[in-house]
Amino acid sequence: DGGITQSPKYLFRKEGQNVTLSCEQNLNHDAMYWYRQDPGQGLRLIYYSQIVNDFQKGDIAEGYSVSREKKESFPLTVTSAQKNPTAFYLCATRARQNLGEKLFFGSGTQLSVL
Amino acid sequence: AQSVTQLDSHVSVSEGTPVLLRCNYSSSYSPSLFWYVQHPNKGLQLLLKYTSAATLVKGINGFEAEFKKSETSFHLTKPSAHMSDAAEYFCVVRYYGSGNTGKLIFGQGTTLQVKP
Repeated sequence: DGGITQSPKYLFRKEGQNVTLSCEQNLNHDAMYWYRQDPGQGLRLIYYSQIVNDFQKGDIAEGYSVSREKKESFPLTVTSAQKNPTAFYLCATRARQNLGEKLFFGSGTQLSVL
Repeated sequence: AQSVTQLDSHVSVSEGTPVLLRCNYSSSYSPSLFWYVQHPNKGLQLLLKYTSAATLVKGINGFEAEFKKSETSFHLTKPSAHMSDAAEYFCVVRYYGSGNTGKLIFGQGTTLQVKP
């Protein structure tokens, strides 16, 4: 998976609970992304970060929060405000543009609601 | 607005026959285009990419795609399907927007089934 570690692989959330998905990378990439994948749909962007201490909302940021305190880490918190959190979550990184725009993906976390 | 459409949600082929997965995009500018593959319970893997060089792009595992600007298409093909090709395939376009250079738009995905 190209040096990106997502944990846990499976996560269960109770109603009203906040949960945090971990994404760690050792690729020294500047940009990191969180995508959500639902059956029959493409990936949708939740949040992204181009550099440490900076992040931007994607298309479906409501009910989620992120932080980027370190270059290697971009955790995603699914808050109780996210009413339909069951999905497969993918973290991705991207090197600088002169390295071909390639995205590297983690192996994903499947989040389910109990 | 930028968008990408995968025309088939499911494609079924027999092993050894050609594969065609269709993708159309809408864009005001020449985009960067990608095909990713996702095998069950695995992350996404880049198959190939087009970034304004040769219009016929060769990727891994015998796949290739042709960028046709006049048709705004980037269809993925393979001459002979293998059982291991069964997976979900995503067509992706890179969005060129002011202050938003990191954004990608994913198609809905096409599930490829390969029959023995």
